[in-house]
Amino acid sequence: EDQVTQSPEALRLQEGESSSLNCSYTVSGLRGLFWYRQDPGKGPEFLFTLYSAGEEKEKERLIATLTKKESFLHITAPKPEDSATYLCAVPNQAGTALIFGKGTTLSVSS
Amino acid sequence: DSGVTQTPKHLITATGQRVTLRCSPRSGDLSVYWYQQSLDQGLQFLIQYYNGEERAKGNILERFSAQQFPDLHSELNLSSLELGDSALYFCASSVMDSNYGYTFGSGTRLTVV
Repeated sequence: EDQVTQSPEALRLQEGESSSLNCSYTVSGLRGLFWYRQDPGKGPEFLFTLYSAGEEKEKERLIATLTKKESFLHITAPKPEDSATYLCAVPNQAGTALIFGKGTTLSVSS
Repeated sequence: DSGVTQTPKHLITATGQRVTLRCSPRSGDLSVYWYQQSLDQGLQFLIQYYNGEERAKGNILERFSAQQFPDLHSELNLSSLELGDSALYFCASSVMDSNYGYTFGSGTRLTVV
């Protein structure tokens, strides 16, 4: 069964304290891994797509990397405005839907 | 504004009732997806439509149904509502299939009392 697991469920950081979020997946023939950011009560907002192992993408303080079994979202010197839930997703085998992990809720305090 | 429009933003209704949620996809997108998000389950895929035709079903209850119209907007119909149906319902759209990722709307928060 296709699955996406994210860890930790919740992460509290001080402003400027860098860390990483993990997303592991079990799906045959990966055709992309997606990271989204979701603020409370709002729709998920697209951040990155990664397609092959070794790929790395960067946006402001976020760096996403991909291996054959997992992806990491590194948050460098976070600010309070980075507080949100970060979701990871992969297409199912049929390509008919994205399967989402339950997310990591990040809280950054000043 | 993501380009995907969902209405209404909030809906409060009683158990046993029926409601309709509406979604207009981003311009140029042919696929529409519906997801349910509850606190304990995360984002759960319900159903996908592509250019007016049902393409895939996920964990959608028989009490729920959807359709996509010729102008590509979609409606999700929820009937015989139960307290457990209270959740955020999101619509997303993409050009073709999920391999290209989605753009999400801002959601409809349904509260069943």
